[in-house]
Amino acid sequence: TQLLEQSPQFLSIQEGENLTVYCNSSSVFSSLQWYRQEPGEGPVLLVTVVTGGEVKKLKRLTFQFGDARKDSSLHITAAQTGDTGLYLCAGGGASGNTPLVFGKGTRLSVIA
Amino acid sequence: DSGVTQTPKHLITATGQRVTLRCSPRSGDLSVYWYQQSLDQGLQFLIQYYNGEERAKGNILERFSAQQFPDLHSELNLSSLELGDSALYFCASSAGQGGNSPLHFGNGTRLTVT
Repeated sequence: TQLLEQSPQFLSIQEGENLTVYCNSSSVFSSLQWYRQEPGEGPVLLVTVVTGGEVKKLKRLTFQFGDARKDSSLHITAAQTGDTGLYLCAGGGASGNTPLVFGKGTRLSVIA
Repeated sequence: DSGVTQTPKHLITATGQRVTLRCSPRSGDLSVYWYQQSLDQGLQFLIQYYNGEERAKGNILERFSAQQFPDLHSELNLSSLELGDSALYFCASSAGQGGNSPLHFGNGTRLTVT
């Protein structure tokens, strides 16, 4: 069974600070997806990375896929209160045919 | 709006009962997935259907069953409910059937078993 470990589990920071959250596994994934979930709603896709070493930027969010396609990171610059939420990473199996496996998430709270 | 509709939004029932959760996928999506989310276990994959056929099975209990109908909507049936079944149940849909397809989630059904 492929497992994704996310760290930290909880993070509380002040508005304007930078932060990085991590998603690690011992397994190789064909792709890595990041989702954000807000209370009372389902997860919403932020980005998909598919190539080892790939870096994608989405405004103040920077996503990186590890060279070996076993890990990923999400860096947020100058966090805003609107960034508050649960950040989930999800990995597609190496064959690309198995359903996504989700990490337990990092719960981010940005305080004004 | 993801385009995925789940009903009901909330469900409160007693132990031993049976409930049915319903999901309408995003227009054009052939795959439907069911996930269970609890605080300690995170999002756990239960089962996937693709165009009416079971495609993959995860940690789904024998007391739980699902199906996808010809119009592509899906239902998740939970029977002999236990207190530990209390959780958020999410349906998601995707255009493809593989694990690299982005998922579009509904807003979930919050099940409380008392």
